[in-house]
Amino acid sequence: GESVGLHLPTLSVQEGDNSIINCAYSNSASDYFIWYKQESGKGPQFIIDIRSNMDKRQGQRVTVLLNKTVKHLSLQIAATQPGDSAVYFCAENSGGGTSYGKLTFGQGTILTVHP
Amino acid sequence: EPEVTQTPSHQVTQMGQEVILRCVPISNHLYFYWYRQILGQKVEFLVSFYNNEISEKSEIFDDQFSVERPDGSNFTLKIRSTKLEDSAMYFCASSPTGRYGYTFGSGTRLTVV
Repeated sequence: GESVGLHLPTLSVQEGDNSIINCAYSNSASDYFIWYKQESGKGPQFIIDIRSNMDKRQGQRVTVLLNKTVKHLSLQIAATQPGDSAVYFCAENSGGGTSYGKLTFGQGTILTVHP
Repeated sequence: EPEVTQTPSHQVTQMGQEVILRCVPISNHLYFYWYRQILGQKVEFLVSFYNNEISEKSEIFDDQFSVERPDGSNFTLKIRSTKLEDSAMYFCASSPTGRYGYTFGSGTRLTVV
């Protein structure tokens, strides 16, 4: 069946370090991926997305890498700051057909940034 | 920046009671969603809504759940007879295309006692 999962449930880094959060997906039909940040008591906040016709996309301090060969997605955060501490989720949309935008979320990684 | 607004932020209800969770999606969006997140777990899809009807629903979305867009701006989730296991954060989301541009609300924390 379809699933999106994460390799590491928790990640602790020092302020200023780079962080890498990983995600594996199993649905080869997935063609759109999103990284969300969720702070305590809040809804998922969009960070960055990538379509399956790309293997890398950069934003402000964040980069998403997509490896379709091994069905792997990663989020890189440069110069991590204490305000980056949150739970990070990947989500995928298998798109098209009868899927009206249903997102499948991974389990989440807790990122803790120490000052 | 446009937001998805959800009310109330927290709802406490007794088991067996009906609850209605309310959402105001972004005005020019056409696709609407409800998701659920049990404490400490991942976000789970409940239902999608397009063109005034349910387009897809998960196994979680059984007969006790219903959705409605009563007036062209609000989007509601009704749980007819709440159970303890319905306690969760409920998130509303909307998208202009059903493919990209999803925006989530801040959620309603439902506590069933």
